[in-house]
This record gives sequence, structure tokens and C-alpha cells, in this order.
Amino acid sequence: GESVGLHLPTLSVQEGDNSIINCAYSNSASDYFIWYKQESGKGPQFIIDIRSNMDKRQGQRVTVLLNKTVKHLSLQIAATQPGDSAVYFCAEISMNYGGSQGNLIFGKGTKLSVKP
Amino acid sequence: DVKVTQSSRYLVKRTGEKVFLECVQDMDHENMFWYRQDPGLGLRLIYFSYDVKMKEKGDIPEGYSVSREKKERFSLILESASTNQTSMYLCASSLGILAGDYVDTQYFGPGTRLTVL
Repeated sequence: GESVGLHLPTLSVQEGDNSIINCAYSNSASDYFIWYKQESGKGPQFIIDIRSNMDKRQGQRVTVLLNKTVKHLSLQIAATQPGDSAVYFCAEISMNYGGSQGNLIFGKGTKLSVKP
Repeated sequence: DVKVTQSSRYLVKRTGEKVFLECVQDMDHENMFWYRQDPGLGLRLIYFSYDVKMKEKGDIPEGYSVSREKKERFSLILESASTNQTSMYLCASSLGILAGDYVDTQYFGPGTRLTVL
């Protein structure tokens, strides 16, 4: 069945280093992928998205890479800061619920800890 | 900025009680969603709504119901709370267009941590 998951549940990096958070997905027909950041005590916050016709997309200090061949998604954070400490979720758009609407399927999350 | 608010941040109820969780969004979004979030399981979709008075089951609707009488408000109801419904509940809303090149981003509220004793 469809699933979206993350390779590592926790990731610890030094402040200033680059972080790479990985995500594997199983539905090769998924069209959109989104990364969310969830800080402690808050709801998930949209970071960046990518469509399946793209391999790479850049935002402010973040880059998402999509490898459709191996069904792998990654989020790269440049110059990681203490404020980046959070749980990061990848999500894919599933069209399971019919019509032109789709719903998100979330991965289980990776906790990023930034050491000062 | 989109704002999604939830009626309570923390809630403690007893087994068998009827529980109402309220969610309000102020951006005239068409879609609203209720998720629960549990350690090791991630976010799981309970119910969603694409329009007023309309509801659709998500992945885990058992033990829950919803109500959407007004566009801005989406309520999650636990008819008879049980201990296995202890969880973080997250509400989300989205504009409501998912076709072509447009990605329908979901915006989340802060969550309600429900404990059922």
C-alpha cells in the first residue's frame, strides 16, 4: 500500500553545519510532495513543496531534492541554526479520496536537534 | 497570514464523556481537516470536509464524528471518549484547489492535547 516514511527518526547536527533529512515514498504516481516543520507545542508549518516534474527546488536556506527513480525525497537545510530544531515531516498528495481533491499522507517525522 | 485556531490547548476528560473539539479558520478556506498525532505513528487523517455540511471519512474515523455548519468552523466530536483516544489533535485548512499546477497547502492550528482518563 501507499506509505511515506523517513529513514532516520532523529538527527543531531552542529550549529552552522548543513542538515539533510530523508524521506522514502512508495506511490510512484504521487504528484506533489511537501515538507513541514513542527516545533514543540505547535502545529506543522509548511516549508517547501516540489512537483513530480521537478528534481530540485530551492527556498530560503532550504532545498528539496526529488529522485523519482528510487522514490526518495530529501530536505537540505544550509547553515543549520538552533531555531531549526524541530520535527520535520514529508508528505505526499494522494488522490485516494476521489474527484479532483487529494489528501496528504504524512511520514512519521524526523527530529532535528541542533547543537550549539 | 492564515490563522487556524483550536478551542483548547489541553483537555482532560473521563472515559465515556462526550468531547467537542472546535476549530476555526479565518481565511475563507473551503477545506478543513482533523488529524490525530501519536508518537511513532505520525499524523493520521480522521475526517475532512470540502464544503459546509459535507464530510468525508479519513483513515481512522471510528469513534469520531464531525460537524461543519459554517464554512469557518469544523468540529470534531468524540461521542464516548475512550483512553485510546488520548492524543494530540490537529486541525488544518486549505484553500480548496487541487488541480493542475496548484498545490493546495494545508495550514495547521496549534493542536489540542487530549487526555482521556
